[in-house]
Amino acid sequence: AQSVTQLDSHVSVSEGTPVLLRCNYSSSYSPSLFWYVQHPNKGLQLLLKYTSAATLVKGINGFEAEFKKSETSFHLTKPSAHMSDAAEYFCVGGSQGNLIFGKGTKLSVKP
Amino acid sequence: GAVVSQHPSRVICKSGTSVKIECRSLDFQATTMFWYRQFPKKSLMLMATSNEGSKATYEQGVEKDKFLINHASLTLSTLTVTSAHPEDSSFYICSARDQTSGLYNEQFFGPGTRLTVL
Repeated sequence: AQSVTQLDSHVSVSEGTPVLLRCNYSSSYSPSLFWYVQHPNKGLQLLLKYTSAATLVKGINGFEAEFKKSETSFHLTKPSAHMSDAAEYFCVGGSQGNLIFGKGTKLSVKP
Repeated sequence: GAVVSQHPSRVICKSGTSVKIECRSLDFQATTMFWYRQFPKKSLMLMATSNEGSKATYEQGVEKDKFLINHASLTLSTLTVTSAHPEDSSFYICSARDQTSGLYNEQFFGPGTRLTVL
């Protein structure tokens, strides 16, 4: 069975500093992995996706994630946080047509 | 890109009434649509998987008579919350899978519907 674990429920950074949101997965299959962002009272917006084509995946708004099979990780990073990045982030695994959601990480950005 | 819409975006209703939420794939055909429920400050919980032309598959603990799902066409699925009660108040999100997509697992999400039952 597949599972997705987001290691931090809340991350707080200062504007202009790097962002690191951690995600680990377990899967019996080669997984599809996604990061989504959700702003308050909004739907989910896809940031990036891993589909085995490349281990370093670049997404929108300056975000990127690296798939590390040896560490079973798919951490999301951004070099410099912006106030507009404050939101809830979900790491999601895909397997056999279904999605498995992590519990989410709330990112706060301080001015 | 693939766009999924939901209507209404928010609805307030009285206890005991029924509410219908529509989910549409605007620029692609979706043989499979999914309905999720999200409680405040929580992750998404899959309620059911809807396949066009067949009965929906409900997750354990979700009452199929309470949450009626219809997927009559390749671009439309509806969720009807019957005899709504305050505990049904939640954020409901649908998603759709593009049948032509090579990425079998990818789903495209609607903007969500905020249901408040008084």
